[in-house]
Amino acid sequence: AQTVTQSQPEMSVQEAETVTLSCTYDTSESDYYLFWYKQPPSRQMILVIRQEAYKQQNATENRFSVNFQKAAKSFSLKISDSQLGDAAMYFCAYRKPTQGGSEKLVFGKGTKLTVNP
Amino acid sequence: DSGVTQTPKHLITATGQRVTLRCSPRSGDLSVYWYQQSLDQGLQFLIQYYNGEERAKGNILERFSAQQFPDLHSELNLSSLELGDSALYFCASRLGNSPLHFGNGTRLTVT
Repeated sequence: AQTVTQSQPEMSVQEAETVTLSCTYDTSESDYYLFWYKQPPSRQMILVIRQEAYKQQNATENRFSVNFQKAAKSFSLKISDSQLGDAAMYFCAYRKPTQGGSEKLVFGKGTKLTVNP
Repeated sequence: DSGVTQTPKHLITATGQRVTLRCSPRSGDLSVYWYQQSLDQGLQFLIQYYNGEERAKGNILERFSAQQFPDLHSELNLSSLELGDSALYFCASRLGNSPLHFGNGTRLTVT
């Protein structure tokens, strides 16, 4: 079974600085998807960024980027120019490709990010 | 706004009772997933429906059941509730290989 590990239960960063959240996963598949979701205190689950395993280029969404190392099964999230609104729980998630929408997301335990003013 | 609607937002009930959580997926999404989020277990996959049919089961208790109706909305039924069932229950939907879009969750408190 696929597993996702986030080894940092908590992280903190100063406003305007850069922080990297770690994620490793275990799979025997060659094709899959990886995601980072953000859960602020409002508890809503918000998609931050998505990476397809067959793409070598790392995904980027504004201040958010990933470092995808397929051989090492590592998928870290870098947040640049951190803002107070980035404070949240961040979940790394894995999913196999689907035919007919039948694959579930497997989540890590999460990393709580605090942004200090 | 993700487009996924969950009702109610909060639910407080007593042990032994039964509740129904409702989810309306994003327009056009055929797959509906239910997740349970608790402090000790994290985000646990419960069950998935695709176009009205059950597709996958995760760590769902026998006291829990779900269904997806012809209009694609879904309901999660929780019965014989125990204190340990207190959690945040999320519904999520997607179409094909698109990312999962989550509702705002239903906070269930069992007293």
